[in-house]
Amino acid sequence: AQSVTQLDSQVPVFEEAPVELRCNYSSSVSVYLFWYVQYPNQGLQLLLKYLSGSTLVKGINGFEAEFNKSQTSFHLRKPSVHISDTAEYFCAVRAGIQGAQKLVFGQGTRLTINP
Amino acid sequence: EPEVTQTPSHQVTQMGQEVILRCVPISNHLYFYWYRQILGQKVEFLVSFYNNEISEKSEIFDDQFSVERPDGSNFTLKIRSTKLEDSAMYFCASSAPGGSGNTIYFGEGSWLTVV
Repeated sequence: AQSVTQLDSQVPVFEEAPVELRCNYSSSVSVYLFWYVQYPNQGLQLLLKYLSGSTLVKGINGFEAEFNKSQTSFHLRKPSVHISDTAEYFCAVRAGIQGAQKLVFGQGTRLTINP
Repeated sequence: EPEVTQTPSHQVTQMGQEVILRCVPISNHLYFYWYRQILGQKVEFLVSFYNNEISEKSEIFDDQFSVERPDGSNFTLKIRSTKLEDSAMYFCASSAPGGSGNTIYFGEGSWLTVV
């Protein structure tokens, strides 16, 4: 079975500082990895995804993530954050080859940007 | 950009009442899902639906829950007799055919409060 662990429940950062949100996964099969963002009172929006190929994946809003198979990690990074990045970030794993495979989410990391 | 739409955005219901949450998935998508997020907790998979039948369901999705695609556009989640612990944000989602790498798109959510 797949599982995801997000190591930090809350991350406070000053504006324009870099940030890393950590995610580790567990799976016995090939995985697809995703980061979703949830802004206050909104739904889940895809930030980026790793399917195969280059281990460094770039997403929207200046975010990127690196897939590390040996460390089973998929950490999310941004070199300089803005107030508007304040949100809950969810790492998720999806496994299997069938189209209806579900996403398994981590607990989420609340990113708070301070001025 | 196409999006998944959900209604209602917020519903308050009395314990024991039936609730139907409605969703319009993205038009060319064939896989449909419901997820749930209890306040302060992670997003949990409830059920996936493909070709007019349930593909997979979680332990949460007991006999009180049912899903239906009554026509070519809507996808509904029914909770037969609501309990206090059913209070949560319910997300509908859909994905296109072509494999597990395809993005799952989420709606804005329906916030259910059971009193």
